[in-house]
Amino acid sequence: GESVGLHLPTLSVQEGDNSIINCAYSNSASDYFIWYKQESGKGPQFIIDIRSNMDKRQGQRVTVLLNKTVKHLSLQIAATQPGDSAVYFCAENNQGGKLIFGQGTELSVKP
Amino acid sequence: DAGVTQSPTHLIKTRGQHVTLRCSPISGHKSVSWYQQVLGQGPQFIFQYYEKEERGRGNFPDRFSARQFPNYSSELNVNALLLGDSALYLCASSVGTGTGPLYGYTFGSGTRLTVV
Repeated sequence: GESVGLHLPTLSVQEGDNSIINCAYSNSASDYFIWYKQESGKGPQFIIDIRSNMDKRQGQRVTVLLNKTVKHLSLQIAATQPGDSAVYFCAENNQGGKLIFGQGTELSVKP
Repeated sequence: DAGVTQSPTHLIKTRGQHVTLRCSPISGHKSVSWYQQVLGQGPQFIFQYYEKEERGRGNFPDRFSARQFPNYSSELNVNALLLGDSALYLCASSVGTGTGPLYGYTFGSGTRLTVV
């Protein structure tokens, strides 16, 4: 069936270091991908997105890379801050309003 | 402007009971989607409604149902509750049926349902 999975369930980094969170997806027909951040007690918050006709997109301190050949997605966070501590999800979309989420990676930033 | 509001924030129910969860979308948004998030996992799509019509349904049993009202608010109903229905239920609203910032796709903070 369709699935979006993450390679690592937890990631611990030092404040100021760069973070890389990875995601694998299985549906080659997916044409739109989103990274979400979820803090405790809150709903997922949009971080950055990318369409399948691109392989890289940059935002403020964040970069998303898409490798369609191996169906792999990554989120890079530059100069990670304590406020970045949260669970990060990748999600794929290929059918209107339905998002398929991965399991999530918990990012912990040590001061 | 208010974001997506969900009520109640927390709820405890007994197995076999019925529950109704409510969602008010962002003003101007005509689509509401429901997701179930079990602890430690990503959200799973349940339903999408647009202009009061069901536009998508995930792989959930018939015990789950939803509807959207003329003011675009929505209710998610779950009958014959099971322990496995314990989860965070998230509502997302958007202008149209698509996802992403182009459609203003925004999640609420969810309703935490515990079934005992």
